[in-house]
Amino acid sequence: DAKTTQPNSMESNEEEPVHLPCNHSTISGTDYIHWYRQLPSQGPEYVIHGLTSNVNNRMASLAIAEDRKSSTLILHRATLRDAAVYYCILWGYGGSQGNLIFGKGTKLSVKP
Amino acid sequence: KAGVTQTPRYLIKTRGQQVTLSCSPISGHRSVSWYQQTPGQGLQFLFEYFSETQRNKGNFPGRFSGRQFSNSRSEMNVSTLELGDSALYLCASSMAGKDTGELFFGEGSRLTVL
Repeated sequence: DAKTTQPNSMESNEEEPVHLPCNHSTISGTDYIHWYRQLPSQGPEYVIHGLTSNVNNRMASLAIAEDRKSSTLILHRATLRDAAVYYCILWGYGGSQGNLIFGKGTKLSVKP
Repeated sequence: KAGVTQTPRYLIKTRGQQVTLSCSPISGHRSVSWYQQTPGQGLQFLFEYFSETQRNKGNFPGRFSGRQFSNSRSEMNVSTLELGDSALYLCASSMAGKDTGELFFGEGSRLTVL
């Protein structure tokens, strides 16, 4: 599973949309793009994942570039509770977790 | 349904001691993995178990070991503790084989080595 690149930190204002970018130029055809976030003093929690098409769920939207070399996690209206470290990882279908690389993620700060 | 449960949540040990951490996965999940999280290194994969067999192992010394029981519960052990082993140890479970591959993490066991 390939490595991803994310900005170290980002800031947002409460109730504004947030776009968290992720680059994964060496993604393979069977790699799913996963996003997790980790709130302070908690374990990471699943946010969303996708393969090729854009995805929406109650927490966020995932926009995947046509060439799949980058993706963007979209929080439509940031709340203070969204302040967390966001990890973008690639996970090959059926692949072992041993190949997952979480990296340092993007620390999102939300200002009231 | 109940989430991933890790015990103990906090513990303090001294150098040279050993420690055993426990993880109870979500009911029905057969894959359990362990991660070490430190401020400097971030989240690092330790090992993954599936149906009582170690499926993969990260780049950690042999002092770190684990096992999985028939009910999918897992334990990890660290022997001869070093100061650098101070970290948050996270367990994650998943329904291996499904295409979602969604991981469910516990809240972690925070180990301090003095």
